[in-house]
Amino acid sequence: DGGITQSPKYLFRKEGQNVTLSCEQNLNHDAMYWYRQDPGQGLRLIYYSQIVNDFQKGDIAEGYSVSREKKESFPLTVTSAQKNPTAFYLCASSISADTQYFGPGTRLTVL
Amino acid sequence: AQSVSQHNHHVILSEAASLELGCNYSYGGTVNLFWYVQYPGQHLQLLLKYFSGDPLVKGIKGFEAEFIKSKFSFNLRKPSVQWSDTAEYFCAVNQKRYGGATNKLIFGTGTLLAVQP
Repeated sequence: DGGITQSPKYLFRKEGQNVTLSCEQNLNHDAMYWYRQDPGQGLRLIYYSQIVNDFQKGDIAEGYSVSREKKESFPLTVTSAQKNPTAFYLCASSISADTQYFGPGTRLTVL
Repeated sequence: AQSVSQHNHHVILSEAASLELGCNYSYGGTVNLFWYVQYPGQHLQLLLKYFSGDPLVKGIKGFEAEFIKSKFSFNLRKPSVQWSDTAEYFCAVNQKRYGGATNKLIFGTGTLLAVQP
């Protein structure tokens, strides 16, 4: 069953702690993306990667970091430097600039 | 900076009513255009897309959208909505440049559609 998986579905962390969100795809897509979704603000791009071992900052990269060591995996770390980390995080993948396929999302709550 | 505007934030319709959701973008060059939909509790998924050719694009579940280049618009339409169309709808754009389109999608803020039975 092909697709994108994100884990966990819900995540709670204390303020000041780093947390890593998982994103895995078995669609053999080269490109992967991380978005943040907040009510009334749509989706905002955090980071994206067009190929393995390469990634670019999106519009709101401050306080986040990523790695792309394998084609199928693109983990996102929310660091303590992110001022407002509580949000719904969506991972996506695509073949080049065509349709992006989205995972189910991770809802992060920082207490 | 490039932006995408969806002017309708919340829309409430009765079943069988017609739907039109507005989408305007600010980029002056060539673009690819998308409408995505997020049903309650489900993944964000593609509704339809326009890359080139016929500016009237048909998507899944009876939706269609028309690209009007002179108006920088890509409005979504459906002649008769159903209760199951209740969802959040997002318009998105990526730029085309020499050598192909960029990967970077710019999303609108979304429109919440509620269809009353």
